[in-house]
Amino acid sequence: QMTLKESGPTLVEPTQTLTLTCTFSGFSLSTDKVGVGWVRQPPGKALEWLALIYWDGDKRYSPSLKNRLTITKDTSRSQVVLTMTNMDPVDTATYFCARVSMGIKGFDYWGPGTLVTVSS
Amino acid sequence: DIHMTQSPSTLSASVGDRVTITCRASQSIISWLAWYQQKPGKAPKLLIYQASNLESGVASRFSGSGSGTEFTLTISSLQSDDFATYYCQQYNGYWTFGQGTKVEIK
Repeated sequence: QMTLKESGPTLVEPTQTLTLTCTFSGFSLSTDKVGVGWVRQPPGKALEWLALIYWDGDKRYSPSLKNRLTITKDTSRSQVVLTMTNMDPVDTATYFCARVSMGIKGFDYWGPGTLVTVSS
Repeated sequence: DIHMTQSPSTLSASVGDRVTITCRASQSIISWLAWYQQKPGKAPKLLIYQASNLESGVASRFSGSGSGTEFTLTISSLQSDDFATYYCQQYNGYWTFGQGTKVEIK
């Protein structure tokens, strides 16, 4: 059974750095040909892909946000970590982590999401 | 960057209706197109991948078609559980979502 779950702060002050952790189970990010990525959704708005890391360490970032994002993995802990610098109130959103299978290029398993509010 | 445009933004329909949602890509994405269903407060659910392949466990009333730049999601007979927001998503080395189509009760 594949599961993913996001964890991190619920409130971040403007200009701070956000660090989110995705802890997953049921698959391996070192041997299975998969990737784990992050998608966010501001309240009442559409989904926005942020970043993804593949089983082989290859990393992809949204062109519009790449200067603010870093994605890493810890295969021994089955975790993927996303950091986003210089947070702004417009970054208030629910942040999801999700798995991508190489064969389909779609996100087939998702975490429940975590709401991050940016406010002073 | 590839931009995805969904239409309509909102769709009012009744149970039993045939529903079609369109997604257009700003350039060819071959068949790297997925569709998701999202209900309020929940994570998206993958319905269709590679434009026309039904994800395991998804009801057969959902179908997808298209290639290149134009794609459609069809619900053959709308059920009460299908009232939700639907998103398309492309892959060309990066991922981009459409702006969503809300299917509401007429």
